[in-house]
Parts: sequence; C-alpha cells; structure tokens
Amino acid sequence: SYVLTQPPSESVAPGKTAMITCGGSNIVTKTVHWYQRKPGQAPVLVIYYNSGRPSGIPERFSGSNSGNTATLTISRVEAGDEADYYCQVWDSHPVFGGGTKLTVL
Amino acid sequence: QVQLVESGGGLVKPGGSLRLSCAASGLTFSDSYMTWIRQAPGKGLEWLAYISGSGATIYYADSVEGRFTVSRDNAKKSLYLQMSSLKAEDTAIYYCARGPTDRYNFDYWGQGTLVTVSS
Repeated sequence: SYVLTQPPSESVAPGKTAMITCGGSNIVTKTVHWYQRKPGQAPVLVIYYNSGRPSGIPERFSGSNSGNTATLTISRVEAGDEADYYCQVWDSHPVFGGGTKLTVL
Repeated sequence: QVQLVESGGGLVKPGGSLRLSCAASGLTFSDSYMTWIRQAPGKGLEWLAYISGSGATIYYADSVEGRFTVSRDNAKKSLYLQMSSLKAEDTAIYYCARGPTDRYNFDYWGQGTLVTVSS
C-alpha cells in the first residue's frame, strides 16, 4: 500500500517561512491535499490538488509537488498557524501522512 | 455554513459495541459522500469507511471491515458508524467528513468524538 512520510515536527519563528514535506514514491503522479488540525477543532482543508487554495485560506499557504516530495509552504508564519498538518492522496482509497506538528517559536 | 457534529463517543469495554452519529447541516447531504476517519493517540489519520450519497456504495478499510458498519439517513441528514467487537487499538478520536469529493479530498470535517476502549 502507498505510504506517505512526514517529519513529526517542524519549528519556525514568527514572520518566517515554514516548509512541511510529504514524501511518497513518485508522488508527483498523485494529487496531494493538505489539512490543518488545531487541538479541539475540526480539521480544515488548506490546500487541494497540490496547490489549490480553498476559499477563506490565506494566500500565505501554498503547495507544490515534485518528484518524490510534496511541500506545504506557509509564508510569514503567525502564531495562529501552530497546528498539526497532514497530507493526503488517493490510492484506491484515502491515504494520509502521519502528520507534522508545526511549532511557532 | 457547513457543520458536522459527531456524538456517541465514550468509554466502552473490549468486545463491546458503540454507535457514533454525525449530524450535518448547511450542505446538500443526500448528494454528499461521507467518510469516517479516526486518529489514535500518537498516530496519524486513518480512513475507516465511506458511503455514497444514496448509500448504495460503501467501502471499508481492512482494519475495520466486518466489525464496523457505516450507514446514513438522508431524511435526518445523519451519518452513523456502528462499531462492534471493539479493541483497545480502536481508541481514538473519530471524525466524520464530507468526501471523498470529486477532487478526492475531504472538504468539511467535524470536531470529532472520543472513543476509549478499556476495561
């Protein structure tokens, strides 16, 4: 079965850029979606189809997909961006990455 | 505004049963695929089951097939997950989500309900 690998944690200072990776075999052939989950809140779709941004998601959130790695990039990080982030692809069924906890220093 | 609200979680003994519900509002429920997803402590998200808008198409993850049953009542705009033969490893937060969409993602999620399987 298809496996998505994410780093367990990333740290970034406010105002800097955070890059969260999602590794998978030839992931460029798949479309990647990203979700943000804050404690006690419903997960939120922040990027769809590798780089699409749903209505209401700030332009600071962007995505890319190349080779074996998809990347969620958060520019000008704010304290409110501190959350767990999950990537997801479809491989005959939904497959999620293990999640990355983003800490804003 | 779309809202998905899960309920029915709680403490249950190993081997026991539990029924989760998800009440939907703000969306055309009968046109929506719906999915149950869980997150066990210290682990990532795991898809469990999804059901088409009509209920005619259902798929289960191998980890729960034969033990969990997903269903829906479109008149009540509600999604259900009947869980039986529960194990300690079923302890998790259970989310309902709309999808998979035509983009193969999940565009709305509930806040989740906690299920604890312990003696």
